[in-house]
Amino acid sequence: GAVVSQHPSRVICKSGTSVKIECRSLDFQATTMFWYRQFPKQSLMLMATSNEGSKATYEQGVEKDKFLINHASLTLSTLTVTSAHPEDSSFYICSAHLAVGADTQYFGPGTRLTVL
Amino acid sequence: EDKVVQSPLSLVVHEGDTVTLNCSYEVTNFRSLLWYKQEKKAPTFLFMLTSSGIEKKSGRLSSILDKKELFSILNITATQTGDSAVYLCAVRLEYGNKLVFGAGTILRVKS
Repeated sequence: GAVVSQHPSRVICKSGTSVKIECRSLDFQATTMFWYRQFPKQSLMLMATSNEGSKATYEQGVEKDKFLINHASLTLSTLTVTSAHPEDSSFYICSAHLAVGADTQYFGPGTRLTVL
Repeated sequence: EDKVVQSPLSLVVHEGDTVTLNCSYEVTNFRSLLWYKQEKKAPTFLFMLTSSGIEKKSGRLSSILDKKELFSILNITATQTGDSAVYLCAVRLEYGNKLVFGAGTILRVKS
């Protein structure tokens, strides 16, 4: 149990385009999902907390107009990187909070974004 | 500012060795401490610790928390090449379920 999927696993796009990444909790409902960013050889940096049915809470320094988050259902959150630039190239990981049992976050497999 | 510090940053050992990874923290509202293993993709959950002095064990891995001294250790005995990974320590804050991650320890086990 507690499986989280992400799609796509890898995306290459041109500068200026927008990219949408989906995060799904497959066998549980998650009222809260989190989006992280990880640069090579660095740890996970929380970008935003996504709550079902309400606006996301962004961490300091993260542009909410650039990284659009939608959490339309209890099993799906999306992150859209708008007008992507090469510096947005990174590994994006989502997690979903399972409130029962282990009461912890389970991570998706991540999405490798490369902006040319 | 909430902070999680892991040491060492990297470690190379031989198969069969025992390793100890360290995690210290300074946070405003502590709820629990978690250990994750990250190979090429996303982190996989190892342990969650909430109380001091109670060892959590899973096979060759074990972990313990000291809430007075604000640190945790992760032990791996009889290491195998499959243990090679980045080990991440994270502290869960009391409100909002937010996790603050350390930089990780890169472990490489040589055969």
